[in-house]
Amino acid sequence: QQPVQSPQAVILREGEDAVINCSSSKALYSVHWYRQKHGEAPVFLMILLKGGEQKGHEKISASFNEKKQQSSLYLTASQLSYSGTYFCGRTIRGGSNYKLTFGKGTLLTVNP
Amino acid sequence: DGGITQSPKYLFRKEGQNVTLSCEQNLNHDAMYWYRQDPGQGLRLIYYSQIVNDFQKGDIAEGYSVSREKKESFPLTVTSAQKNPTAFYLCASKTGTPNTGELFFGEGSRLTVL
Repeated sequence: QQPVQSPQAVILREGEDAVINCSSSKALYSVHWYRQKHGEAPVFLMILLKGGEQKGHEKISASFNEKKQQSSLYLTASQLSYSGTYFCGRTIRGGSNYKLTFGKGTLLTVNP
Repeated sequence: DGGITQSPKYLFRKEGQNVTLSCEQNLNHDAMYWYRQDPGQGLRLIYYSQIVNDFQKGDIAEGYSVSREKKESFPLTVTSAQKNPTAFYLCASKTGTPNTGELFFGEGSRLTVL
């Protein structure tokens, strides 16, 4: 039921790049990306809409392949503040309702 | 300031008791959501509501109930039928069309069953 994220965890040194992947077995209408720091609520990063429109963070980018039902989040030149757990969320349609469900998360640790 | 308020922040309950978690938003958002967070499980959807007086089951609705009598309020009741209720509960709301718009989360409620 949940979208599948990979990797489960990644450790970087400051300045390195990372890619987090998200795949779905069901047709996607939109993909959301959020970051959660320990003990805090998740914070919005990015939303990708069917048709290619992208809205979100200025230093983090993402792609959305509708045909493959996959999305990837790209973090370049990582900073210490990027540490946290990243969640992808997908919107799927059920009749007139749109359900927003999340993956299990990817724990990103950026070290000096 | 606009936002989402969840209460209580911490709650302890005995087995067999029902408990209600409050979620209030003043963002004028139509859609509201309840998620449960357990270590290693991510955010799992319990219930969601796209408009007042209507709500839908999520992926793990068993043992939970909700109501949406007012646009700004979406309380969650954890009933005694929920087998493993100890968890962190997050409420969220959003605007936009049903498949767009960012989620705004509350600070969460941590429920512990003794």
